[in-house]
Amino acid sequence: DTGVSQDPRHKITKRGQNVTFRCDPISEHNRLYWYRQTLGQGPEFLTYFQNEAQLEKSRLLSDRFSAERPKGSFSTLEIQRTEQGDSAMYLCASSLLTGGYNEQFFGPGTRLTVL
Amino acid sequence: AQSVTQLGSHVSVSEGALVLLRCNYSSSVPPYLFWYVQYPNQGLQLLLKYTSAATLVKGINGFEAEFKKSETSFHLTKPSAHMSDAAEYFCAVSFGNEKLTFGTGTRLTIIP
Repeated sequence: DTGVSQDPRHKITKRGQNVTFRCDPISEHNRLYWYRQTLGQGPEFLTYFQNEAQLEKSRLLSDRFSAERPKGSFSTLEIQRTEQGDSAMYLCASSLLTGGYNEQFFGPGTRLTVL
Repeated sequence: AQSVTQLGSHVSVSEGALVLLRCNYSSSVPPYLFWYVQYPNQGLQLLLKYTSAATLVKGINGFEAEFKKSETSFHLTKPSAHMSDAAEYFCAVSFGNEKLTFGTGTRLTIIP
């Protein structure tokens, strides 16, 4: 399968713990996006990278959240001192920036439950 | 700022009936518009997109949508609903290759 992959698919943690999610984009895709989807809502943009550079961060991305894409390939999203309000589906997408419109391909998501 | 509004959080149609899911957008410049489908516990799949070419856009699984600038709408239709169409549908807007801004979604239920 050459699509976007995310790991883990499910994570249950206790409030106050740190969690880290990984996203592997489609090979050669230079843009990588993170979105968060809470129950009954549409996905909300968190941040995106072009290669290893983080180009935009949403105000939703508090100081407890950090994202990296160190070699311009896979990305990690870390949440420190998790809160119950962090419970959501975290979606990753990738695209290849060329001329014209470039479709974002989504991974299956990581569902986080904070107890 | 760009935004989308999806009218109707839940829509039920009978199998074989017309599907109509509504989406209105707000944008100060010509946007790109999208419809995505999400099945339970899965990611998003692109159904179709409008990127300033033809205003009537055909997508996968028999869906189509028409961009109407005068009405700022991008409604999704399918002539005949199938049981496999039951899912959550999201309208989204973006400028070029930037972030997507999604609506709150419409859950489509198909009645046998």
